[in-house]
Amino acid sequence: IAGITQAPTSQILAAGRRMTLRCTQDMRHNAMYWYRQDLGLGLRLIHYSNTAGTTGKGEVPDGYSVSRANTDDFPLTLASAVPSQTSVYFCASSGGTGPTDTQYFGPGTRLTVL
Amino acid sequence: GQNIDQPTEMTATEGAIVQINCTYQTSGFNGLFWYQQHAGEAPTFLSYNVLDGLEEKGRFSSFLSRSKGYSYLLLKELQMKDSASYLCAVSDSNYQLIWGAGTKLIIKP
Repeated sequence: IAGITQAPTSQILAAGRRMTLRCTQDMRHNAMYWYRQDLGLGLRLIHYSNTAGTTGKGEVPDGYSVSRANTDDFPLTLASAVPSQTSVYFCASSGGTGPTDTQYFGPGTRLTVL
Repeated sequence: GQNIDQPTEMTATEGAIVQINCTYQTSGFNGLFWYQQHAGEAPTFLSYNVLDGLEEKGRFSSFLSRSKGYSYLLLKELQMKDSASYLCAVSDSNYQLIWGAGTKLIIKP
């Protein structure tokens, strides 16, 4: 069982380019999340999905979009990358959205926008 | 606003005990999580507290005081592999996690 996989592991991207970060989970979790992690800051929620077919905006959604066509996949798209989007991106999932539902994280994608 | 405060960095000696504090101010409270994150890796779940008191899990224990907006993670019999960042996160009124910046724990032999 792989849990959560993310691709690519790392990427260097020119500003203005479009980029999709992939996230797949095999735990049949209902909820999925995208976070970014920057030095000195806590994890910040970009977008989330409580169940397949629904998505919502987190704390820092601008410049990002997501889709949730099925339970397993939750891709994150940067339509036109900017240097401030340089960060480590983590995808996470949880069985539900209740208070005791633990979030499990993928290995992360390190993105550099030049 | 919502705020989670943790010390940026702590240093401890192998075999000793260390306490990592976390204070929070959030819109609603549905529990507090501690995660461990080794450098270059994903966060992994350590503990969850929703009621006041101490939860013990092997060498790690987590304490919560809801009235004080305070939690701590206690690590006993420190090992070199415990060198990592420890993240405090609070589940708010919408069940979304609000994260602290993390405490980097350095273990010296």
